[in-house]
Amino acid sequence: QIHLVQSGAEVKEPGASVKISCKASGYTFTAYYIHWVRQAPGQGLEWIGFVNPSGGGTNYGQKLQGRLTMTRDMSTSTVYMEVSSLTSEDTAVYYCARDVPLRMVNPGLSYYGMDVWGQGTTVIVS
Amino acid sequence: DIQMTQSPSSLSASVGDRVIITCRASQSISTYLNWYQQKPGKAPKVLIYAASSLQSGVPSRFSGSGSGTDFTLTISSLQPEDFAIYFCQQTYIFPRTFGQGTNLEIK
Repeated sequence: QIHLVQSGAEVKEPGASVKISCKASGYTFTAYYIHWVRQAPGQGLEWIGFVNPSGGGTNYGQKLQGRLTMTRDMSTSTVYMEVSSLTSEDTAVYYCARDVPLRMVNPGLSYYGMDVWGQGTTVIVS
Repeated sequence: DIQMTQSPSSLSASVGDRVIITCRASQSISTYLNWYQQKPGKAPKVLIYAASSLQSGVPSRFSGSGSGTDFTLTISSLQPEDFAIYFCQQTYIFPRTFGQGTNLEIK
């Protein structure tokens, strides 16, 4: 069984940092990128960025650029996302998700989708 | 960034109805379009990828179509378990933007 298990809920004061973990199991950890998506209360989904568990490379969305750090620990098959200088606008449920090639277009190009998700981590900034 | 716009934002329908949700991209994304379903308190689940391909395990009453900038998700005969929020997402370029969601409610 493939699982992504996230760390528990956090309550932080404005200006603090939060670090969320996402532990993968049931597949080769380094084979697929892990993306992060957040959802503010009653709102839609917002793509945050991704980390490559193999090489550690990252790609962050502009909104959190400068406050965001994604890392991974290959020894424990865990990825981490840290957000600094928190404000009330960062209050949300944060999800990690595995991004896999669902169909190949041609060698080196595929259609991707997030097929396995963590259970979500609630972060409240107050 | 590519903006994704869904319509309608909310929709009331009955079991057995045929429902169509649309998603429009602010620029062409070929067929790099996924649809996700989200139920209250749960993580999203991928239903359709590459605009029209059904993800493994998803019932065949779900279908997708479109290319370029205009896409649709169709549920041919609504079942009680289909009442949820549906999101489109483009995977053409980063950032991978989502639509704002369509809340499908029971009439």
